[in-house]
Amino acid sequence: DTAVSQTPKYLVTQMGNDKSIKCEQNLGHDTMYWYKQDSKKFLKIMFSYNNKELIINETVPNRFSPKSPDKAHLNLHINSLELGDSAVYFCASSQTSGNTIYFGEGSWLTVV
Amino acid sequence: GNSVTQMEGPVTLSEEAFLTINCTYTATGYPSLFWYVQYPGEGLQLLLKATKADDKGSNKGFEATYRKETTSFHLEKGSVQVSDSAVYFCALSYTGANSKLTFGKGITLSVRP
Repeated sequence: DTAVSQTPKYLVTQMGNDKSIKCEQNLGHDTMYWYKQDSKKFLKIMFSYNNKELIINETVPNRFSPKSPDKAHLNLHINSLELGDSAVYFCASSQTSGNTIYFGEGSWLTVV
Repeated sequence: GNSVTQMEGPVTLSEEAFLTINCTYTATGYPSLFWYVQYPGEGLQLLLKATKADDKGSNKGFEATYRKETTSFHLEKGSVQVSDSAVYFCALSYTGANSKLTFGKGITLSVRP
């Protein structure tokens, strides 16, 4: 069973479109994250949610809107996609009392 | 703020060579330290971790020791294999609701047969 799963794995879309990436974790964790990996492989946090509450919101354009319907799910919606949004987006989860963050397999987004 | 610095890459080694990838950090208090690995076309996997000073994390023949005095967490492997070719990330985090991983830039390792 996949612990942190995200869909879709690959997404090619045109500039200006709106798209969503979904994430689910079955580890029973209370904290979930979105990270972005750019073309140089650099990883940076975008958002984190703890028990459905937004905790971390780094400097991210407001075209990006996360939504956490429950502790096991954290979705990422992106409006008006731009070429610069092309990246790999990783969902992750952890337990507040723990210190290890587990990642999904990534969603490769290409904006053309 | 917290930061992680990794040695510049890429690194190319022959099979069975000894590997060292340097990682140093700047942080307050006592973060936990991690090495993550990303194989080509795949996601991030936790390779090993250490949660306090002098702890040694180990997995799949890789080792790293948490050195508080030198603020380092260097990754080593005695004999690399072609299958170790990947991107390696050093990272730190703290426990708690505000926890997040701060990553180094990553280093690409290529192992030749």
